[in-house]
Amino acid sequence: QVQLHQWGAGLLEPSETLSLTCDVYGDGGSFSGYYWSWIRQSPGKGLEWIGESNDDRSTNYNPSLKGRITVSVDTSKKQFSLKLNSVTAADTGVYYCARAPSFRGFWWFDPWGQGTLVTVSS
Amino acid sequence: DIQMTQSPSSLSASVGDRVTITCRASQSISNSLNWYQQKPGKAPNLLIYATSSLQSGVPSRFTGSGSGTDFTLTISSLQPEDFATYFCQQSYSTLWTFGPGTRVDIK
Repeated sequence: QVQLHQWGAGLLEPSETLSLTCDVYGDGGSFSGYYWSWIRQSPGKGLEWIGESNDDRSTNYNPSLKGRITVSVDTSKKQFSLKLNSVTAADTGVYYCARAPSFRGFWWFDPWGQGTLVTVSS
Repeated sequence: DIQMTQSPSSLSASVGDRVTITCRASQSISNSLNWYQQKPGKAPNLLIYATSSLQSGVPSRFTGSGSGTDFTLTISSLQPEDFATYFCQQSYSTLWTFGPGTRVDIK
């Protein structure tokens, strides 16, 4: 069974870069056939999908963040990462990593990481 | 973007009650609808994918139905561990979007 464990800095000042990494454990650690996603949750915006990548380095990003976000996969380290540049207070929230399996054209998020509270404040 | 709405935003129920939560998409999403349960301080947990497929390990009291724009999650007999917030999520369009959530608490 796959488990995700995420880590990274939780307190940032405006204009800094948010950097989070998600380690993938179990199930042979296969990256093929999945998208590896980042999702955030805040009181104001609820759950918001922010971006994803796969082992072919194909990426999809939420247009609201395009230009600031990079999601990358490192299969050799069995991890994937999120970088979000030029953060503001509006980027404050709990960030989750998640695997996106698919079957017959359907996609979903499972499992999820434990979440990281990221606070942007001066 | 495909907008997702849920109703009600919250409800109070008793153990043993039958509970139904509705999710509506702003355009047709076929059967590309997933449901998650979230407890305070925890990550969301997948309950149902592709409208009605029960995730492994999820109790059979949870069922999902619908198609197009209107979907429901039903808990046939509410258990103490079911008090939580429930979210729907569409996977029809790559800009995946979630509903605002329905909080289920104890009456």
